[in-house]
Amino acid sequence: EVQLVESGGGLVQPGGSLRLSCAASGFTVSSNYMSWVRQAPGKGLEWVSVIYSGGSTYYADSVKGRFTISRDNSKNTLYLQMNSLRAEDTAVYYCARGKYSSSPGAFDIWGQGTMVTVSS
Amino acid sequence: DIQMTQSPSSLSASVGDRVTITCQASQDISNYLNWYQQKPGKAPKLLIYDASNLETGVPSRFSGSGSGTDFTFTISSLQPEDIATYYCQQYDNLPRTFGQGTKVEIK
Repeated sequence: EVQLVESGGGLVQPGGSLRLSCAASGFTVSSNYMSWVRQAPGKGLEWVSVIYSGGSTYYADSVKGRFTISRDNSKNTLYLQMNSLRAEDTAVYYCARGKYSSSPGAFDIWGQGTMVTVSS
Repeated sequence: DIQMTQSPSSLSASVGDRVTITCQASQDISNYLNWYQQKPGKAPKLLIYDASNLETGVPSRFSGSGSGTDFTFTISSLQPEDIATYYCQQYDNLPRTFGQGTKVEIK
């Protein structure tokens, strides 16, 4: 079965760090475009970051310089390292797979989401 | 950044009604437009990709059309299980951007 399972969310103080994980099964993370998308409580969807199959990475301006997307091919897992966290980073974080392996497209597989709360 | 403007922000319709949601891009995005359904507490689900292609397993009452800057999403006959928030999303440029969402309720 093709699926994504996130973990690593929790409560963290402003300025703190957290690393989210997204374990994939049924497909190879390194062969696909993989993204993180977040949703603040009661709000809409916000794209956060992408890592292309070739390894290039891109970020939303709101997280650039603070967040790092990466993957471990041996574990078939996607990561999001979040540093210098702010209250406005509070959200459910989803990992999502790009539908096409060789070009951008829709997000066809989503994880269940993991909640990150930034508060003192 | 490409701005995606959805309308309406919410709607109420009866079971069996035809429901239409529009999405306007701030610049030409060709057909690089997707539609998602999100039910409360759940992850989004892809319904329509590349403006008009139905994702595998999605009921045929869902459809999409449009190109350039103006797009339409339609539910031909609203069912109780369609209660959700619907989002459009462009992938012509980074950052990927979503519309603000349309909440669909049963009248």
